Amino acid sequence: AQSVTQLGSHVSVSEGALVLLRCNYSSSVPPYLFWYVQYPNQGLQLLLKYTSAATLVKGINGFEAEFKKSETSFHLTKPSAHMSDAAEYFCAVRKQGGSEKLVFGKGMKLTVNP
Amino acid sequence: DTGVSQDPRHKITKRGQNVTFRCDPISEHNRLYWYRQTLGQGPEFLTYFQNEAQLEKSRLLSDRFSAERPKGSFSTLEIQRTEQGDSAMYLCASSIGTGGVDEQFFGPGTRLTVL
Repeated sequence: AQSVTQLGSHVSVSEGALVLLRCNYSSSVPPYLFWYVQYPNQGLQLLLKYTSAATLVKGINGFEAEFKKSETSFHLTKPSAHMSDAAEYFCAVRKQGGSEKLVFGKGMKLTVNP
Repeated sequence: DTGVSQDPRHKITKRGQNVTFRCDPISEHNRLYWYRQTLGQGPEFLTYFQNEAQLEKSRLLSDRFSAERPKGSFSTLEIQRTEQGDSAMYLCASSIGTGGVDEQFFGPGTRLTVL
């Protein structure tokens, strides 16, 4: 079965600092991987997805993530945090060639300090 | 196109009552998904439809839960004899269903509180 682990529940950075949100996955077959963002009182929005093409994936709002098979990781980064990045971020995995369901991590709340 | 919509946005009910939620997907999306999100957790998959066919159900979906998508457009999720443990945010998502890795677009959710 697929799963993702997001260690910790909260990250705080200063405006302009690097954002790094960690995600490790467990899957018996090569997975598809996703990062979603959830702003207060809004639905989940897709930031980016890995579909076994390029290992470095660029998404919206300046975010990117790198798939590292050797480390079973798919960490999300942004070089310079903006106040508007404050939200909750979820990593998710889906089995290739199998079920359409997404399996989400517990999420990480990002706070951006001025 | 205004995205995935869900109704109601909030529902408070007493234990033992039945509740029904509605989801309207993005038009022309043939796949529709239901997830449940409890406080401090990520969304958990409940079920999904391709058109009107229910293709997969999670073990989380006990016999008190039933979902339908009768005409392949909107969907309803009914919970019978609600329990306090059913309190959660119920999320609906839809995707176009090309057979590739389609994006699932999420609605704002229905927050259920069972007293």
